[in-house]
Amino acid sequence: AQSVTQPDIHITVSEGASLELRCNYSYGATPYLFWYVQSPGQGLQLLLKYFSGDTLVQGIKGFEAEFKRSQSSFNLRKPSVHWSDAAEYFCAVGELAGGTSYGKLTFGQGTILTVHP
Amino acid sequence: GAVVSQHPSRVICKSGTSVKIECRSLDFQATTMFWYRQFPKQSLMLMATSNEGSKATYEQGVEKDKFLINHASLTLSTLTVTSAHPEDSSFYICSAPGLTSIYEQYFGPGTRLTVT
Repeated sequence: AQSVTQPDIHITVSEGASLELRCNYSYGATPYLFWYVQSPGQGLQLLLKYFSGDTLVQGIKGFEAEFKRSQSSFNLRKPSVHWSDAAEYFCAVGELAGGTSYGKLTFGQGTILTVHP
Repeated sequence: GAVVSQHPSRVICKSGTSVKIECRSLDFQATTMFWYRQFPKQSLMLMATSNEGSKATYEQGVEKDKFLINHASLTLSTLTVTSAHPEDSSFYICSAPGLTSIYEQYFGPGTRLTVT
């Protein structure tokens, strides 16, 4: 069964500092990978996704993530964090087409980001 | 962009009663919707896949008789928690895939259920 691990429950950074949120997955084949952000009172919003091709993917709000097959990782990065980035971030893996759980997303535990002024 | 709404946003009910949560796709049609449950400081766990015109598909360990799902139309799915107990208190979130890919899911804002 597929699984996702986000080792960091809570990360605190200063505004303007760089950010990296870690994500490791377990899956038998090349997975579909996602990063979502959840702000209080709002639904999860897709930041970026990786299906295939270039392993460095760009997303919205200045975020990027790199797929590293050898490390089973899909870490999220941002060069300069803004106070509005404070939220909870979820990494997720999707079942490939043809599987019995097509469309199913398995989420990591989430990482809460706090931004200090 | 695609918007998914949920109603109510918060609900408090007494133990033993039933409560219905609605999930609507506002500007697109969704033959499939997903229902998740999120415990405090934990991840989202998929409960079931709601299919318009057919029965829902439940994940292992989810009681289908307790969590009734009805996909009444192409824009509405409902989750009814029957005979609710305090342990059912949680944050329930629905999502619907957009037109481009089933994985491009749009999430509702969630419903906070508290059972007293």
